[in-house]
Amino acid sequence: AQSVTQLGSHVSVSEGALVLLRCNYSSSVPPYLFWYVQYPNQGLQLLLKYTTGATLVKGINGFEAEFKKSETSFHLTKPSAHMSDAAEYFCAVSDGNNQGGKLIFGQGTELSVKP
Amino acid sequence: GAVVSQHPSWVICKSGTSVKIECRSLDFQATTMFWYRQFPKQSLMLMATSNEGSKATYEQGVEKDKFLINHASLTLSTLTVTSAHPEDSSFYICSARTDGGYTFGSGTRLTVV
Repeated sequence: AQSVTQLGSHVSVSEGALVLLRCNYSSSVPPYLFWYVQYPNQGLQLLLKYTTGATLVKGINGFEAEFKKSETSFHLTKPSAHMSDAAEYFCAVSDGNNQGGKLIFGQGTELSVKP
Repeated sequence: GAVVSQHPSWVICKSGTSVKIECRSLDFQATTMFWYRQFPKQSLMLMATSNEGSKATYEQGVEKDKFLINHASLTLSTLTVTSAHPEDSSFYICSARTDGGYTFGSGTRLTVV
């Protein structure tokens, strides 16, 4: 079975500061890992994903994440926060094609950006 | 890119009635569709997985007779909430598997009064 843990249900940063959202996963098979952003009453938008290959993944809006197998982590970072980054962020794990490829989500982290 | 169109975006219904939510893949064939529900300030909980032409697989604790899922074609999957009650009020989101990963619908806000 797979699971995802996001450390910190709420993170607050100042505009221009570093954003770090933490994600740890558990998977019995090589995982596929995703970060999504959700704005109020909207669906999910993919920020970035890791399937295979390079462990440092760059996504949209200046976000990036690094897959660290030894730490079972996939933390999301952005060098400089913008007001428009305020939203809910979800880390998710999939087993690829095994078990139907279900996507399992972490609890979510609400990011606030202070002016 | 792959787009999933979800309708309606919001619906209010009376307790005891049924509501149907549709998800259509617009420019690709969605062999597999996932249905999630999300309570306020909470994460997405997987309800069921549907594959075109076969019965849906429900997650533990999800009432299959209450949440009817149909995936009769490669471009349409529906979720029907039968005999809805206020506790069914939630945000429902569909997601289709694509070559690149997963594409999500925009969600349906269901309010049962």
